[in-house]
Amino acid sequence: GESVGLHLPTLSVQEGDNSIINCAYSNSASDYFIWYKQESGKGPQFIIDIRSNMDKRQGQRVTVLLNKTVKHLSLQIAATQPGDSAVYFCAETDSWGKLQFGAGTQVVVTP
Amino acid sequence: GAVVSQHPSWVICKSGTSVKIECRSLDFQATTMFWYRQFPKQSLMLMATSNEGSKATYEQGVEKDKFLINHASLTLSTLTVTSAHPEDSSFYICSAHGRFLAGGDTQYFGPGTRLTVL
Repeated sequence: GESVGLHLPTLSVQEGDNSIINCAYSNSASDYFIWYKQESGKGPQFIIDIRSNMDKRQGQRVTVLLNKTVKHLSLQIAATQPGDSAVYFCAETDSWGKLQFGAGTQVVVTP
Repeated sequence: GAVVSQHPSWVICKSGTSVKIECRSLDFQATTMFWYRQFPKQSLMLMATSNEGSKATYEQGVEKDKFLINHASLTLSTLTVTSAHPEDSSFYICSAHGRFLAGGDTQYFGPGTRLTVL
């Protein structure tokens, strides 16, 4: 694959602090974005989604921000907990309804 | 709701054998399912789109004769890795098309199947 041998970017966060995970997407025509969480050895788990007609959406302890001008997506996790340790992927939906995944960010929560 | 299961969760096989992986949507109907593979420390790579009642659509570079996909019903898709070789060892994940609160069409993922070919 295109990222063979590449280490995932890692975000180390102290328990209780807020986490911000960033993602740049490529297709300016994408109109739907999703954040997934993947724990080791498991499939991706849906966290939150956002449409391109919005710039912010909040869930439980999570907020997604969308900046279409610079094609940037971010996920904010409030009061990060040990259970938040995982790899986080952003994904955009292309015109065929397929998901295009970003490279992922490893979040490590330290006590 | 929106649970997707995969079976088996892991499998070890000898080189040259074929392995079948099942993907089921447990509480909803999925006209479209997707198959991904994922290598360690990497993102998910889409292999093919599986449509109920029709032939699967494969992504560029994915051999359709090696990775056979059958979407037999609205709740079941299978991926068969034929004549598996060690380089086929990977984490295979399926997903089923669903709908989330923001109104978009996205995918519910299965737990994945770890394939190791000796």
